[in-house]
Amino acid sequence: AQTVTQSQPEMSVQEAETVTLSCTYDTSENNYYLFWYKQPPSRQMILVIRQEAYKQQNATENRFSVNFQKAAKSFSLKISDSQLGDTAMYFCAFMKLLTSGTYKYIFGTGTRLKVLA
Amino acid sequence: DAGITQSPRHKVTETGTPVTLRCHQTENHRYMYWYRQDPGHGLRLIHYSYGVKDTDKGEVSDGYSVSRSKTEDFLLTLESATSSQTSVYFCAISESSSYSTDTQYFGPGTRLTVL
Repeated sequence: AQTVTQSQPEMSVQEAETVTLSCTYDTSENNYYLFWYKQPPSRQMILVIRQEAYKQQNATENRFSVNFQKAAKSFSLKISDSQLGDTAMYFCAFMKLLTSGTYKYIFGTGTRLKVLA
Repeated sequence: DAGITQSPRHKVTETGTPVTLRCHQTENHRYMYWYRQDPGHGLRLIHYSYGVKDTDKGEVSDGYSVSRSKTEDFLLTLESATSSQTSVYFCAISESSSYSTDTQYFGPGTRLTVL
């Protein structure tokens, strides 16, 4: 069974600094997708970044980038130049194929990030 | 932002009462999902739909039923609410089943408290 592990329940970072959130996963599949979602206090789930497992190049979206290590099954999120608005819960997710031909996510338990002024 | 709304946004109910949560989308996406979010568990899939009248169970479906009579609406029903169903419920939608394009977009969530 696929699992997703986020080993850091809480983290903090000074504004303008860089922080890295860890995520490891377990799967026997060769082709899959990984995601980071952000959940601010509003509770809205917001897609931050996605990574395709067959691509060796790490995905980037502005200040957000990932370090994808397929062999190690590791998928960390780096936030550069942290801003107060980055304060949120961050979820790592693995996309799993269902028998109906659609997909569901397997979510980690989340990392609560606080950006300090 | 994807056009997804959930109603109600907050609800308090008593054990044993029926509850229906509604997810409405304006994107005409085929796939819809219901998740619940609990501390220490992340989000877990309850039920999902891959078309009108086509639904299937997720990993935590006991005590829940769903219906989808129109593309835009996906209803989640708790036939007889229990305290263990106190949670935050999220609806999500996705456009296609293509592995290269499928991304799920989430609604704002419904906080349900069962006393």
